[in-house]
Amino acid sequence: EIVLTQSPATLSLSPGERATLSCRASQSVSSFLAWYQQKPGQAPRLLIYDASNRATGIPARFSGSGSGTDFTLTISSLEPEDFALYYCQQRGNWPWTFGQGTKVEIK
Amino acid sequence: QVQLVESGGGVVQPGRSLRLSCGATGFIFSRYGMHWVRQAPGKGLEWVAAIEYDGSAEYYTDSVKGRYTISRDNSRNTVSLQMNSLRADDTAVYYCAREGSSRAFDCWGQGTLVTVSS
Repeated sequence: EIVLTQSPATLSLSPGERATLSCRASQSVSSFLAWYQQKPGQAPRLLIYDASNRATGIPARFSGSGSGTDFTLTISSLEPEDFALYYCQQRGNWPWTFGQGTKVEIK
Repeated sequence: QVQLVESGGGVVQPGRSLRLSCGATGFIFSRYGMHWVRQAPGKGLEWVAAIEYDGSAEYYTDSVKGRYTISRDNSRNTVSLQMNSLRADDTAVYYCAREGSSRAFDCWGQGTLVTVSS
């Protein structure tokens, strides 16, 4: 099973700041990595697929990069609605797996 | 619009069974792989099971192999999860999710809570 390790666990930032979230895979997943946002009491929402492609309707301030084992989700300028939990997920090998999540909180 | 609605959650004793269902509307169900993802209270997301668009293959995470069975009925636009020999650590909100053309989960249901407790 591929283990995804997200860092940091919590990111404390102010609106307007840049957020950089990391996801590291225990073995290569090529570019088969997605990012999701989850707010309390809600289902997750797809942000990025295949490492760097924004999903439909996702603002341009969200971007993804990386391949192999190291991936990054960047939020260029945090909006109030961006404070949430973020998960990476791989589909490079069965079983598909999620990272443990990074919480982006208001500083 | 594209919508997934789960049902079947509830409180069940350890060792018993429960069957979850997920109804799909707003898209051609038979063209998409479907998945179940769960989230224990206060915890992260855990992928559970998947089934190919035509039901030709199923996939499971190790902790549910031999206990859970995913199935689908393309004539009724539903995907189900039969859960047997339930344990306390199966307690979670269970989401069904569509595997979109991006091969990521582009649509999610609202989730159904399963509580395994005596």
